[in-house]
Amino acid sequence: AQSVTQPDIHITVSEGASLELRCNYSYGATPYLFWYVQSPGQGLQLLLKYFSGDTLVQGIKGFEAEFKRSQSSFNLRKPSVHWSDAAEYFCAVLFNRGGADGLTFGKGTHLIIQP
Amino acid sequence: DADVTQTPRNRITKTGKRIMLECSQTKGHDRMYWYRQDPGLGLQLIYYSFDVKDINKGEISDGYSVSRQAQAKFSLSLESAIPNQTALYFCATHLAGGPYEQYFGPGTRLTVT
Repeated sequence: AQSVTQPDIHITVSEGASLELRCNYSYGATPYLFWYVQSPGQGLQLLLKYFSGDTLVQGIKGFEAEFKRSQSSFNLRKPSVHWSDAAEYFCAVLFNRGGADGLTFGKGTHLIIQP
Repeated sequence: DADVTQTPRNRITKTGKRIMLECSQTKGHDRMYWYRQDPGLGLQLIYYSFDVKDINKGEISDGYSVSRQAQAKFSLSLESAIPNQTALYFCATHLAGGPYEQYFGPGTRLTVT
């Protein structure tokens, strides 16, 4: 069955430290992959996406993600976090490349930044 | 102005009441979606529409109905609201044929008492 897993419900990182948020999916082919961020009380903002090509993709706000086909993973990284990065992060997958069925979301990772 | 708007932004209603949440978009996208967000569950797809005449159920459509009044408008209705429909509701759009990222509205926080 198609699924998206974000193994970490909460992550606490010190300001200035590096960050990696994990995302794994279960699917027989390569889907389209996205990371969204939701700040408190806000909607979802797209950070970055992967469709094909270079497996390391750059996004907004200094984030990047690497697609690893062999691990069915699409982990989000940032070399140095800022207090403003505190938010909920969602990995999302478009399994149907025609766009049908909408996105399948992971359950989210809540990022806490320690001063 | 925001590309995807939702009204109302917040709503408190009583059990058994009918309520409609509205979504409008100025992006010119043909595909529109309604999601529900519950804490710890991520977003779940309620309904989606590929055009005015094409409505499809998502994974959690029971208790909900939708109407696509025009390409730019997609409404979600709760015919008889119940407390476990208390959640944050998001509308999203994207363009058929790509790019495939979805653009989200700001959300409607619905509380059913």
